[in-house]
Amino acid sequence: GAVVSQHPSWVICKSGTSVKIECRSLDFQATTMFWYRQFPKQSLMLMATSNEGSKATYEQGVEKDKFLINHASLTLSTLTVTSAHPEDSSFYICSAGTVARANEKLFFGSGTQLSVL
Amino acid sequence: RKEVEQDPGPFNVPEGATVAFNCTYSNSASQSFFWYRQDCRKEPKLLMSVYSSGNEDGRFTAQLNRASQYISLLIRDSKLSDSATYLCVVNDFNKFYFGSGTKLNVKP
Repeated sequence: GAVVSQHPSWVICKSGTSVKIECRSLDFQATTMFWYRQFPKQSLMLMATSNEGSKATYEQGVEKDKFLINHASLTLSTLTVTSAHPEDSSFYICSAGTVARANEKLFFGSGTQLSVL
Repeated sequence: RKEVEQDPGPFNVPEGATVAFNCTYSNSASQSFFWYRQDCRKEPKLLMSVYSSGNEDGRFTAQLNRASQYISLLIRDSKLSDSATYLCVVNDFNKFYFGSGTKLNVKP
């Protein structure tokens, strides 16, 4: 199956710093990438939908100026958590698909555990 | 109202038991449906797609009821390795929404 690589797997940072997470589709062109966040014992929450070459669409309640998404190519999307605070500590996970068809499956990265001190 | 709702469980069952999970979705126009499995702090992995006609893959059977807007997953002859969180996923106009997951613990 398709492979999605996410990096880094985990990161610890000081409050106020910015953290960039990369998501790459290794063997297919991902026209759309999705970014999710998961707090302990909770579901994956969709943060934003990223389409190659255009601005990301953010879900209600997600601050677009805090969570910067760039999808400059068909194989790479990045999520930057700006001025991170302890409440941003979470498991962030990306997924990619070619959603030309509505029933396209999702392929997930392995996730990034962010801990903000 | 959440797009997708699941019973969080946990379901604690002995090996060999049959267990069923249900999931309801709010948008009647939702287009496709899936069950994913997630182990602790790992990415979700696709277990199976769910079709209106129902589908089976080994010990796993999935059903979709569009009229009542629910999806089910049946696991027969549970194995210890089935212990995980099972996520119901709905594709709603190319956005994928996840249920909160149902935790399954299979005990020896």
